This record gives sequence, structure tokens and C-alpha cells, in this order.
Amino acid sequence: EPEVTQTPSHQVTQMGQEVILRCVPISNHLYFYWYRQILGQKVEFLVSFYNNEISEKSEIFDDQFSVERPDGSNFTLKIRSTKLEDSAMYFCASSLAGQTGELFFGEGSRLTVL
Amino acid sequence: GQQLNQSPQSMFIQEGEDVSMNCTSSSIFNTWLWYKQDPGEGPVLLIALYKAGELTSNGRLTAQFGITRKDSFLNISASIPSDVGIYFCAGTGGATNKLIFGTGTLLAVQP
Repeated sequence: EPEVTQTPSHQVTQMGQEVILRCVPISNHLYFYWYRQILGQKVEFLVSFYNNEISEKSEIFDDQFSVERPDGSNFTLKIRSTKLEDSAMYFCASSLAGQTGELFFGEGSRLTVL
Repeated sequence: GQQLNQSPQSMFIQEGEDVSMNCTSSSIFNTWLWYKQDPGEGPVLLIALYKAGELTSNGRLTAQFGITRKDSFLNISASIPSDVGIYFCAGTGGATNKLIFGTGTLLAVQP
């Protein structure tokens, strides 16, 4: 069964360092997303991406964050200068359509900022 | 902004019991969905609802899209140990297509 894959599964970094989280969405999907989940809290929307551009972003997704689809398969989230409060689980998701809410999530990348 | 509030926050039940949880919002949603998250994994879609009043089942799970479009419930019948996890309602609505998640209901099932 096709699935969304994410790497790394866990990354530990020092505050102020740049981090890139990688995702391979399901191959025929057209919409891509990043969500984050701080430990014990709800899943929060960061950004959605369609047709090679950001379609929506939340207030969390400030200038420190960027997304890119560098080739036909990868979808990346970059955090330029990490802060302690960026420590969270980051989930990539993809969907075939944009309005259904039927997202397929990866297993997540746990980011720990020290 | 849009918020989805779930209740209860947590439930501790015996295997075989039925479970009911719900989700409410102060604003209207166009779609309601229920996801389950197992420990250390991403959310997995259980049920999607697209019309007000719609009642949909998926095995032992039943969910309804409230008539006011401001609420939804999820029922699980005859719970089993593998039902353990966090259940999130989610929805899209208003001027945005982004999927917003609720606060979650933690379900624990004792064999």
C-alpha cells in the first residue's frame, strides 16, 4: 500500500542551527502538507503546497520556515534557525484532492532542539 | 481562529464497552473527519463526512456530521484493546481549505 515516508525519524540539533526535514509523498498525490505536534498536544497545521507553491500557511509558519519540492518526489521543510520551542513531532501529509480533508500522514520526524 | 473542542479529554473503559466522543466548534465546517493516532505514529483517517446530517459507518465505528455543521460525534461499538489511541476530529471550512484538528480524546481499553 502506498505510504508517505519521512526522514529522519529523529533529529537532535542545537538552537540556532538549520534543520531540513524530508518527505516523500504518495506518488500520484497533488497536495502536500506539513503539520506539527508538540508533545501531548493537538496536531497543528503549518503549511499546504500545491502546484509548486504555498497555498496556505498558518501564523506558526513564519520567515524561519520554508518548504520546497526540489524534484518530482521529495517535499522538504526547512527551519532556518531553530528555537527551543520548535521541538516537536513534524508530520508530512499528502492528498489527492485539496478540499476533502482526506490526508495521508507519514510517521513523523521528531525534532529536539537543545 | 477556528477551533475544534473535543470531549471527553480521556476515557478509560473495559473491553467490550461502547464508546462515544464528540467534537464541537463555534464556526461552521464543510467537512468533518475522524482520525486515530497510535503512539509514535501519524494520524490515520477513520471516517470522512461531507454533508450535514450524514451518518457513516466503518466497521465498528459510526460518525455523524451534525445538522448545524458545528459538531460531530464518533461512536465505537464493542471496544477491543487495539482501539487504544488518541482520536482527533478534524474539519475544513470557512474561507480556508486547511484541515484543522481538534484537541483529541485519549482512549484506553482494559482487556
